[in-house]
Amino acid sequence: SQTIHQWPATLVQPVGSPLSLECTVEGTSNPNLYWYRQAAGRGLQLLFYSVGIGQISSEVPQNLSASRPQDRQFILSSKKLLLSDSGFYLCAWSVTRGPGRSPLHFGNGTRLTVT
Amino acid sequence: AQKVTQAQTEISVVEKEDVTLDCVYETRDTTYYLFWYKQPPSGELVFLIRRNSFDEQNEISGRYSWNFQKSTSSFNFTITASQVVDSAVYFCALKIDRTGNQFYFGTGTSLTVIP
Repeated sequence: SQTIHQWPATLVQPVGSPLSLECTVEGTSNPNLYWYRQAAGRGLQLLFYSVGIGQISSEVPQNLSASRPQDRQFILSSKKLLLSDSGFYLCAWSVTRGPGRSPLHFGNGTRLTVT
Repeated sequence: AQKVTQAQTEISVVEKEDVTLDCVYETRDTTYYLFWYKQPPSGELVFLIRRNSFDEQNEISGRYSWNFQKSTSSFNFTITASQVVDSAVYFCALKIDRTGNQFYFGTGTSLTVIP
């Protein structure tokens, strides 16, 4: 069966520090990968998605970036965190092949607090 | 453009009451998929159900039931005999088959079941 791992679970970082969140998927190949952010208002904001290695689509211009160095690895980074980067970050995957009915499968999330 | 509206921001019910969470979607595409997710206090989003645009048959799974009506562009979720464990934020989402990659989420409904 497929599993998704996301770490760390919680993170407290000072303003201006770098960020690296990692997500890996097991049990499937060539998944679509996503990074979402959930601020205090509860809505889900799509940050990045990837349909393959090195292929990243950015949905919101910001000081965050994403990379996909391997088929099942998705990394969210920042060179200098802002206070507004605080939130709950969720990684997710879906199947690429076949009709578009595949749901999103989410990781457990990372709660980031920028101080 | 695609859009999902969950007009109910917060709902409180007493245990054993029935509750319906509303979801209204907008799309001009004819092939699409609708999803419901549950986000308990732990944070992870759990996939509950998927419907495709060609299947308007309602579905029941235990205490959960879903009413899909294309005529009103709605995909409502009913919990019968609610329990404290149902307390969570519930998200409705739309995916267009044509694009295949992007999910459009509503802003979520926070359900509190009072014992």
